[in-house]
Amino acid sequence: GQNIDQPTEMTATEGAIVQINCTYQTSGFNGLFWYQQHAGEAPTFLSYNVLDGLEEKGRFSSFLSRSKGYSYLLLKELQMKDSASYLCAVIGDDYKLSFGAGTTVTVRA
Amino acid sequence: DTGVSQDPRHKITKRGQNVTFRCDPISEHNRLYWYRQTLGQGPEFLTYFQNEAQLEKSRLLSDRFSAERPKGSFSTLEIQRTEQGDSAMYLCASSLAGAGGGRRETQYFGPGTRLLVL
Repeated sequence: GQNIDQPTEMTATEGAIVQINCTYQTSGFNGLFWYQQHAGEAPTFLSYNVLDGLEEKGRFSSFLSRSKGYSYLLLKELQMKDSASYLCAVIGDDYKLSFGAGTTVTVRA
Repeated sequence: DTGVSQDPRHKITKRGQNVTFRCDPISEHNRLYWYRQTLGQGPEFLTYFQNEAQLEKSRLLSDRFSAERPKGSFSTLEIQRTEQGDSAMYLCASSLAGAGGGRRETQYFGPGTRLLVL
């Protein structure tokens, strides 16, 4: 089975940095995805990691350590529009996505 | 618009009625997935198709649920004899599957159909 854990909620101030951690235990590993989901909307793709290391894309970066079963999503220069749920998802040997419950990030002025 | 589309966006029905949802994937994508999402949870896998073949169904998918993708393009998800526990957001996603997987397996989601069973 798949087990993916991430914190339920995080709060940060506009302009700050927030790091969302994700740990996983899965049957096989073919990559880890981060999605952003605003309330009532569909998840939108943010990043994909399959090799260890950091992938940077503008204000968002994602890190992966396969040996530790660990990833984080780093959001820099937070903006109010970044308030959303952030979903960690792993694709296993069966090429199905297994999602964590999501981390709700609230950005305060 | 080349994104994934779903219809309807919202559906309210009475318990016991049948409902059908439609998903149109990104045109060149050969894989199509259905997920269900309830409040405060991540999406849960229901079933997926590669072209017209339904390759896997979750045990979450009871006998009241059926999905089709008759020509390998759009897909429908039908729920028969709806129950209040079926109330959720039903998400469709598509991807382009090929040798090597990885980034090409990135799934792109539609806007979802929000179902409320009264």
